[in-house]
Amino acid sequence: AQKVTQAQTEISVVEKEDVTLDCVYETRDTTYYLFWYKQPPSGELVFLIRRNSFDEQNEISGRYSWNFQKSTSSFNFTITASQVVDSAVYFCALTRSSASKIIFGSGTRLSIRP
Amino acid sequence: NAGVMQNPRHLVRRRGQEARLRCSPMKGHSHVYWYRQLPEEGLKFMVYLQKENIIDESGMPKERFSAEFPKEGPSILRIQQVVRGDSAAYFCASSSTGSTDTQYFGPGTRLTVL
Repeated sequence: AQKVTQAQTEISVVEKEDVTLDCVYETRDTTYYLFWYKQPPSGELVFLIRRNSFDEQNEISGRYSWNFQKSTSSFNFTITASQVVDSAVYFCALTRSSASKIIFGSGTRLSIRP
Repeated sequence: NAGVMQNPRHLVRRRGQEARLRCSPMKGHSHVYWYRQLPEEGLKFMVYLQKENIIDESGMPKERFSAEFPKEGPSILRIQQVVRGDSAAYFCASSSTGSTDTQYFGPGTRLTVL
Protein backbone atom coordinates (compact mmCIF):
# COMPACT_ATOMS: atom_id res chain seq x y z
CA ALA A 1 0.00 0.00 0.00
CA GLN A 2 1.11 3.54 -0.59
CA LYS A 3 0.91 6.24 2.01
CA VAL A 4 2.12 9.79 2.56
CA THR A 5 2.43 11.19 6.05
CA GLN A 6 2.76 14.87 6.88
CA ALA A 7 3.00 14.84 10.64
CA GLN A 8 3.01 18.62 11.01
CA THR A 9 -0.59 19.76 10.85
CA GLU A 10 0.15 23.44 11.33
CA ILE A 11 3.30 25.53 11.50
CA SER A 12 3.53 29.22 12.33
CA VAL A 13 6.73 31.22 12.00
CA VAL A 14 7.71 34.84 11.82
CA GLU A 15 8.60 36.29 8.47
CA LYS A 16 12.20 35.75 7.33
CA GLU A 17 12.60 32.59 9.37
CA ASP A 18 13.50 29.35 7.63
CA VAL A 19 10.95 26.57 7.84
CA THR A 20 11.02 22.88 6.91
CA LEU A 21 7.94 20.86 6.06
CA ASP A 22 8.33 17.14 6.64
CA CYS A 23 7.06 14.39 4.38
CA VAL A 24 7.44 10.64 4.91
CA TYR A 25 6.16 8.15 2.38
CA GLU A 26 5.56 4.43 2.13
CA THR A 27 5.63 2.39 -1.04
CA ARG A 28 6.77 -1.04 -2.16
CA ASP A 29 7.48 0.17 -5.66
CA THR A 30 11.05 0.70 -6.79
CA THR A 31 9.97 3.34 -9.27
CA TYR A 32 7.76 6.13 -8.06
CA TYR A 33 7.34 9.88 -8.19
CA LEU A 34 7.09 12.41 -5.40
CA PHE A 35 5.45 15.82 -5.59
CA TRP A 36 4.85 18.96 -3.62
CA TYR A 37 1.82 21.14 -4.26
CA LYS A 38 0.88 24.47 -2.69
CA GLN A 39 -2.70 25.48 -1.93
CA PRO A 40 -2.91 29.20 -1.10
CA PRO A 41 -5.98 30.70 0.63
CA SER A 42 -7.59 31.24 -2.76
CA GLY A 43 -7.92 27.47 -3.01
CA GLU A 44 -6.20 26.47 -6.23
CA LEU A 45 -3.45 23.86 -6.34
CA VAL A 46 -0.07 24.99 -7.53
CA PHE A 47 2.49 22.43 -8.70
CA LEU A 48 5.91 22.99 -7.12
CA ILE A 49 8.10 20.01 -7.89
CA ARG A 50 8.21 16.43 -9.15
CA ARG A 51 11.03 14.05 -8.27
CA ASN A 52 11.47 10.47 -9.46
CA SER A 53 12.77 7.73 -7.22
CA PHE A 54 16.06 7.37 -9.08
CA ASP A 55 17.05 10.97 -8.64
CA GLU A 56 18.16 11.68 -5.10
CA GLN A 57 19.81 14.97 -5.87
CA ASN A 58 18.55 17.81 -3.77
CA GLU A 59 16.85 20.59 -5.66
CA ILE A 60 16.92 24.32 -5.08
CA SER A 61 14.63 26.84 -6.70
CA GLY A 62 15.05 30.33 -5.35
CA ARG A 63 14.03 30.27 -1.68
CA TYR A 64 12.66 26.73 -2.00
CA SER A 65 14.70 23.57 -1.58
CA TRP A 66 13.86 19.90 -1.38
CA ASN A 67 15.73 17.10 0.36
CA PHE A 68 14.96 13.61 -0.92
CA GLN A 69 16.36 10.71 1.12
CA LYS A 70 15.37 7.21 0.09
CA SER A 71 17.09 5.72 3.14
CA THR A 72 14.54 7.39 5.41
CA SER A 73 11.69 7.57 2.84
CA SER A 74 11.51 11.28 3.27
CA PHE A 75 11.03 14.20 0.91
CA ASN A 76 11.27 17.36 2.98
CA PHE A 77 10.65 20.89 1.78
CA THR A 78 12.45 23.94 3.13
CA ILE A 79 11.53 27.57 2.61
CA THR A 80 14.38 29.95 3.32
CA ALA A 81 13.68 33.52 4.48
CA SER A 82 9.95 32.93 4.55
CA GLN A 83 7.52 35.59 3.37
CA VAL A 84 3.88 36.25 4.16
CA VAL A 85 2.96 35.15 0.63
CA ASP A 86 4.25 31.68 1.48
CA SER A 87 1.27 31.20 3.79
CA ALA A 88 -0.65 28.24 2.39
CA VAL A 89 -1.38 24.58 2.84
CA TYR A 90 1.36 22.43 1.38
CA PHE A 91 0.73 18.90 0.19
CA CYS A 92 3.27 16.18 -0.36
CA ALA A 93 2.15 13.46 -2.78
CA LEU A 94 3.21 10.16 -4.30
CA THR A 95 2.37 8.23 -7.44
CA ARG A 96 3.47 4.90 -8.82
CA SER A 97 5.12 4.79 -12.18
CA SER A 98 2.48 2.52 -13.62
CA ALA A 99 -0.62 3.93 -11.97
CA SER A 100 -2.59 7.04 -12.40
CA LYS A 101 -3.74 8.26 -9.08
CA ILE A 102 -1.82 10.63 -6.87
CA ILE A 103 -1.79 9.79 -3.18
CA PHE A 104 -1.79 13.00 -1.18
CA GLY A 105 -0.70 13.61 2.38
CA SER A 106 -3.08 15.41 4.69
CA GLY A 107 -1.24 18.70 4.24
CA THR A 108 0.65 21.15 6.44
CA ARG A 109 -0.89 24.56 7.02
CA LEU A 110 1.92 27.13 7.05
CA SER A 111 1.30 30.58 8.47
CA ILE A 112 3.91 33.29 8.11
CA ARG A 113 3.43 36.16 10.55
CA PRO A 114 4.69 39.64 9.62
CA ASN B 1 -4.75 31.16 -20.43
CA ALA B 2 -4.16 27.55 -21.41
CA GLY B 3 -4.61 26.11 -17.92
CA VAL B 4 -7.16 23.58 -16.73
CA MET B 5 -10.60 25.16 -16.61
CA GLN B 6 -13.35 24.18 -14.23
CA ASN B 7 -16.86 25.51 -14.00
CA PRO B 8 -18.73 26.51 -12.11
CA ARG B 9 -16.31 27.67 -9.44
CA HIS B 10 -19.02 27.58 -6.82
CA LEU B 11 -22.18 25.48 -6.91
CA VAL B 12 -24.99 25.37 -4.39
CA ARG B 13 -27.50 22.56 -4.44
CA ARG B 14 -30.28 21.41 -2.17
CA ARG B 15 -30.40 17.85 -0.96
CA GLY B 16 -31.76 15.55 -3.64
CA GLN B 17 -30.75 17.72 -6.59
CA GLU B 18 -28.17 16.88 -9.21
CA ALA B 19 -24.76 18.51 -9.49
CA ARG B 20 -22.79 18.69 -12.74
CA LEU B 21 -19.17 19.76 -12.61
CA ARG B 22 -17.24 20.51 -15.79
CA CYS B 23 -13.55 20.29 -16.56
CA SER B 24 -11.72 21.37 -19.70
CA PRO B 25 -8.16 20.03 -19.72
CA MET B 26 -5.11 21.96 -20.78
CA LYS B 27 -4.63 22.23 -24.51
CA GLY B 28 -3.05 19.07 -25.83
CA HIS B 29 -3.94 17.03 -22.75
CA SER B 30 -6.11 13.97 -23.22
CA HIS B 31 -6.01 12.55 -19.68
CA VAL B 32 -8.32 13.85 -16.98
CA TYR B 33 -8.43 13.05 -13.27
CA TRP B 34 -10.97 14.03 -10.64
CA TYR B 35 -10.14 14.45 -6.95
CA ARG B 36 -12.27 15.42 -3.98
CA GLN B 37 -11.15 17.49 -1.02
CA LEU B 38 -13.37 17.34 2.02
CA PRO B 39 -13.10 20.27 4.46
CA GLU B 40 -9.75 20.35 6.26
CA GLU B 41 -8.56 17.21 4.49
CA GLY B 42 -6.19 16.29 1.70
CA LEU B 43 -7.24 15.40 -1.80
CA LYS B 44 -8.57 11.94 -2.57
CA PHE B 45 -8.49 10.41 -6.03
CA MET B 46 -11.85 9.62 -7.57
CA VAL B 47 -11.52 8.71 -11.25
CA TYR B 48 -9.16 8.79 -14.22
CA LEU B 49 -10.46 9.15 -17.75
CA GLN B 50 -9.17 9.37 -21.26
CA LYS B 51 -11.32 10.42 -24.17
CA GLU B 52 -14.42 8.19 -24.15
CA ASN B 53 -12.87 5.76 -21.66
CA ILE B 54 -12.83 5.35 -17.90
CA ILE B 55 -9.38 4.03 -17.01
CA ASP B 56 -9.54 3.87 -13.21
CA GLU B 57 -12.60 4.55 -11.10
CA SER B 58 -11.37 2.92 -7.92
CA GLY B 59 -12.00 6.08 -5.88
CA MET B 60 -15.53 6.73 -7.02
CA PRO B 61 -18.38 6.12 -4.59
CA LYS B 62 -20.43 3.17 -5.75
CA GLU B 63 -23.69 5.08 -6.03
CA ARG B 64 -24.82 8.47 -7.29
CA PHE B 65 -21.46 9.46 -8.81
CA SER B 66 -20.52 9.14 -12.46
CA ALA B 67 -17.96 10.68 -14.79
CA GLU B 68 -17.47 10.97 -18.50
CA PHE B 69 -15.01 12.48 -20.93
CA PRO B 70 -16.64 12.55 -24.36
CA LYS B 71 -14.85 12.80 -27.65
CA GLU B 72 -15.89 16.43 -27.89
CA GLY B 73 -16.34 18.78 -24.99
CA PRO B 74 -15.34 18.85 -21.35
CA SER B 75 -15.21 16.08 -18.82
CA ILE B 76 -18.27 15.95 -16.58
CA LEU B 77 -18.50 14.75 -13.00
CA ARG B 78 -22.12 14.11 -12.14
CA ILE B 79 -23.52 13.67 -8.67
CA GLN B 80 -27.12 12.59 -8.44
CA GLN B 81 -29.38 13.16 -5.42
CA VAL B 82 -26.75 15.11 -3.54
CA VAL B 83 -26.45 14.84 0.24
CA ARG B 84 -24.77 17.17 2.73
CA GLY B 85 -21.74 14.87 2.87
CA ASP B 86 -21.05 15.65 -0.78
CA SER B 87 -20.13 19.22 0.16
CA ALA B 88 -16.47 19.51 -0.82
CA ALA B 89 -14.06 20.99 -3.31
CA TYR B 90 -13.78 18.95 -6.47
CA PHE B 91 -10.58 19.31 -8.42
CA CYS B 92 -9.87 18.26 -11.95
CA ALA B 93 -6.35 17.66 -13.22
CA SER B 94 -5.02 16.89 -16.66
CA SER B 95 -1.86 15.46 -18.13
CA SER B 96 -0.58 14.93 -21.62
CA THR B 97 0.43 11.29 -21.53
CA GLY B 98 -1.00 9.92 -18.32
CA SER B 99 0.74 7.59 -15.87
CA THR B 100 3.94 9.34 -14.82
CA ASP B 101 3.33 12.69 -16.41
CA THR B 102 2.77 15.67 -14.13
CA GLN B 103 -0.84 16.41 -13.43
CA TYR B 104 -1.83 20.08 -13.52
CA PHE B 105 -4.83 21.07 -11.49
CA GLY B 106 -7.73 23.35 -12.19
CA PRO B 107 -9.02 25.91 -9.65
CA GLY B 108 -11.65 23.53 -8.31
CA THR B 109 -15.43 23.63 -7.91
CA ARG B 110 -16.73 24.26 -4.42
CA LEU B 111 -19.96 22.34 -3.97
CA THR B 112 -22.22 23.26 -1.09
CA VAL B 113 -25.26 21.12 -0.36
CA LEU B 114 -27.93 22.81 1.72
